[in-house]
Amino acid sequence: RKEVEQDPGPFNVPEGATVAFNCTYSNSASQSFFWYRQDCRKEPKLLMSVYSSGNEDGRFTAQLNRASQYISLLIRDSKLSDSATYLCVVNRPGNTPLVFGKGTRLSVIA
Amino acid sequence: GAGVSQTPSNKVTEKGKYVELRCDPISGHTALYWYRQSLGQGPEFLIYFQGTGAADDSGLPNDRFFAVRPEGSVSTLKIQRTERGDSAVYLCASSPGRAPYNEQFFGPGTRLTVL
Repeated sequence: RKEVEQDPGPFNVPEGATVAFNCTYSNSASQSFFWYRQDCRKEPKLLMSVYSSGNEDGRFTAQLNRASQYISLLIRDSKLSDSATYLCVVNRPGNTPLVFGKGTRLSVIA
Repeated sequence: GAGVSQTPSNKVTEKGKYVELRCDPISGHTALYWYRQSLGQGPEFLIYFQGTGAADDSGLPNDRFFAVRPEGSVSTLKIQRTERGDSAVYLCASSPGRAPYNEQFFGPGTRLTVL
């Protein structure tokens, strides 16, 4: 089983739609979780950290389910500018490296 | 302020050649990371520096890969006897302290093509 797994997509959704991505991780001792966004041929940028209690930032909501070892990202009222690849990121316990998933590609269509 | 910069932005080389990739982190950031990203994949960790020392080099694929950060700022990733499989985008990131507790800021990457 890979350390971090994501559905690669693509998810093609109309503007204004709500879309959700899930990500599973294999190491139950992982403690830090993030979503990064990567535009085509650009570098990844932190979208949001994921906290145990769940957190929201505008149209974006992140949730963590430790029991099932998955993380989710919900995007409400999708905009064309949300089109990108969303990378699920988990830390390797007791060590520094972050482990990135392959990413989920989102295309928001007018 | 200035972000992480990487040079060159593109590098084309022939199999067997030696290449150096440079990373200038954000000023004051003590932690520096190198990743490699192949098409359709997420970034793959290579090596992490805290200051001048390599705190974790467990991601380097073999001894052809080496990185230095002699003054705790600029870092150079060195690849000897390049192979076609080394072709990828090499990303550098820096953070003000030890990850994962600090956000990592990525540079634009160096696209390496080995012919």
